[in-house]
Amino acid sequence: DIQMTQSPSSLSASVGDRVTLTCRASQSISNNLNWYQQKPGKAPKLLIYVASSLQNGVPSRFSGSGYGTDFTLSISSLQPEDFATYYCQQSYSTPPTFGQGTKLQIK
Amino acid sequence: EVQLVESGGGLVQPGGSLRLSCSASGFTFSSYPMHWVRQTPGKGLEYVSAISRNGGTTYYADSVKGRFTISRDNSQNTVYVQMSSLRPEDTAVYYCVKDQSIHDLTYLMDVWGQGTTVTVSS
Repeated sequence: DIQMTQSPSSLSASVGDRVTLTCRASQSISNNLNWYQQKPGKAPKLLIYVASSLQNGVPSRFSGSGYGTDFTLSISSLQPEDFATYYCQQSYSTPPTFGQGTKLQIK
Repeated sequence: EVQLVESGGGLVQPGGSLRLSCSASGFTFSSYPMHWVRQTPGKGLEYVSAISRNGGTTYYADSVKGRFTISRDNSQNTVYVQMSSLRPEDTAVYYCVKDQSIHDLTYLMDVWGQGTTVTVSS
């Protein structure tokens, strides 16, 4: 199975900050990397797919990049509603696997 | 609006069985592969199973293979997972999820249900 490792595990930031979250795959996954946002008690929500494509309805302050094994999710100017846990997921090979998550908290 | 609503969760004893259902609306259900993903506080998000749009292809994670069976009824816009020989480690919130791709299984999951909780305990 492909292992997905996210860093940091948690991050404290302020409204208006720019933040970057990282996801690393244990082997090359081309651009088959997706990002999800999850708020407490809710289901995950797809934000970014195939590394850099923005899902319909997701604000443009979210962006993704990367290829191969190293990927990033950036939020250009944090809004109060962005404080949540973010997961990466590879869809390159079965089984699909998820990172352990990065919890983004208000400083 | 695309919507997935799971049901069927509950408390079951180890070794028992349970069937989860997921009712879909707001899209052409028969055109999309579907998935089940589970989440626990300890293990995070774990992929469970997938089914192609016509049910002809299925996939199971090793952890549930031989114990879980995924199926779908396109006339009822519903996908199921029959869970048997349940273990305490199957305790989780189970999400029904739609594949983004029309036609093919891509494991890129774009719409999630609200989840249903399964607890396996004596």
